[in-house]
Amino acid sequence: EVQLLESGGDLVQPGGSLRLSCAASGFTFNNYAMSWVRQAPGKGLEWVSSISGSGDNTYHTDSVKGRFTISRDNSKNTLYLQMNSLRAEDTAVYYCAKHRGIVVVAAAKFDPWGQGTLVTVSS
Amino acid sequence: QSVLTQPPSVSGAPGQRVTISCTGSSSSIGAGFDVNWYQQLPGTAPKLLIYGNTNRPSGVPDRFSASKSGTSASLAITGLQAEDEADYYCQSYDRSLSTMIFGGGTKLTVL
Repeated sequence: EVQLLESGGDLVQPGGSLRLSCAASGFTFNNYAMSWVRQAPGKGLEWVSSISGSGDNTYHTDSVKGRFTISRDNSKNTLYLQMNSLRAEDTAVYYCAKHRGIVVVAAAKFDPWGQGTLVTVSS
Repeated sequence: QSVLTQPPSVSGAPGQRVTISCTGSSSSIGAGFDVNWYQQLPGTAPKLLIYGNTNRPSGVPDRFSASKSGTSASLAITGLQAEDEADYYCQSYDRSLSTMIFGGGTKLTVL
C-alpha cells in the first residue's frame, strides 16, 4: 500500500524557516515525480512545487520562487520542502502527493496524498 | 480568484443527480490540458476521483462521471448519497501562467 507521511509543520515567526518532510513507502520512490500542495485554513487547494523522480527537474509556483526549495533523497524515500522567508500567507496545511510517472507533466494527477502537516506563520 | 471557476456550492437530495462545473480558458482546459477531479471529505486529505478528463481510478463508484468540452469540464454524481457530502476540486494546467491550477472548490450538501 502506498503511504505518504508528512512531518515538520510548526508555528514559526514571519521571516523564519522550516523544512517539511514526506516519508514515502509502498512504491519505488525514485520512479515517481512528487509534489507539494497547500491549503490555507478554510480555503482551496494551491499547487506549490513539483520535482521529477530523479530530482533533476524542479518547479515552483511564482509566490514561493526564491523562498521555497523542493528536493528529495531517493536513498531515504523522502521528499522535502525547505521554506525560507516565511510569510503569514504561507499559513496552510501542506500535503505531499505522488504523481503518475517519473516526469512532471503539465496536468499531472496527484494520487495519493499524505495526511498533511500544518504550518502556521505568526508572531 | 481561481483560474478555474467552480460554483461555491451545490446541493441535492439523496438519490438525485448533481453536476459541478469547472470553467477554464483557452490557455488551460481549452488548450487541451487534462482535467482531474478530487474529493475532500471533511477533515481529510483530498482523494483522486477522476483523472484524464473522464477516467475513474479503481475503487471509485461509477456514480461519479466527468466530461470535458471546449474550455469547461463537468463532474456528475448520480444516486446521491449522504457520504458524498464533501468539497470537490477540479485541476488542470495553464500554459500562460506556466502553472498547475485548481478550481476554487465546490461544497456539495446532501439535503
